[in-house]
Amino acid sequence: DARVTQTPRHKVTEMGQEVTMRCQPILGHNTVFWYRQTMMQGLELLAYFRNRAPLDDSGMPKDRFSAEMPDATLATLKIQPSEPRDSAVYFCASGLDSAGAIGYTFGSGTRLTVV
Amino acid sequence: AQSVTQLGSHVSVSEGALVLLRCNYSSSVPPYLFWYVQYPNQGLQLLLKYTSAATLVKGINGFEAEFKKSETSFHLTKPSAHMSDAAEYFCAVSASGGYQKVTFGIGTKLQVIP
Repeated sequence: DARVTQTPRHKVTEMGQEVTMRCQPILGHNTVFWYRQTMMQGLELLAYFRNRAPLDDSGMPKDRFSAEMPDATLATLKIQPSEPRDSAVYFCASGLDSAGAIGYTFGSGTRLTVV
Repeated sequence: AQSVTQLGSHVSVSEGALVLLRCNYSSSVPPYLFWYVQYPNQGLQLLLKYTSAATLVKGINGFEAEFKKSETSFHLTKPSAHMSDAAEYFCAVSASGGYQKVTFGIGTKLQVIP
């Protein structure tokens, strides 16, 4: 089965450090999403890309978060500087243009702990 | 804009009993509706989807959901719960008509009691 691959699976870092999370979408998928999951807020959409172009990153704190797609096989989410409140599970999902009718494929997530 | 409300953050059922997880949606245009399941330490997996065809949708693992426009609901059911159904379930909505982002509910944790 085709999978969305996220690395690392777990990350523990100290407050103030830079964190980079990576996502390899399914080959051929042209839409990529980043979600953050916490107990309090549930699943929050941070950003999404279509054909590598950012369509909406309004859910992302701009001062410390950045998301990019340097190529079609890699999406990155960076936090600099990290804060304890960023502790969460970050999911990447990918799909096709019409994925609204199909559903998206999620990766297994990166569990981030900022101490 | 669209949103979903999942009634009940935790639901407990006995093994073999009916599973009913409730979801109500709000959408200004005809919606696409989804149920996803999340097992511990895993990503979300699509269970089933409604995309304006049949209103009763069958998914994997014996789950099904019925789209009721008059009630703006898309409740998830399974006739007989199995221990392996214990997981968190998310209802989600997107607007129909081409590409649209998906909005998720807060999730419902299903506990299955032996």
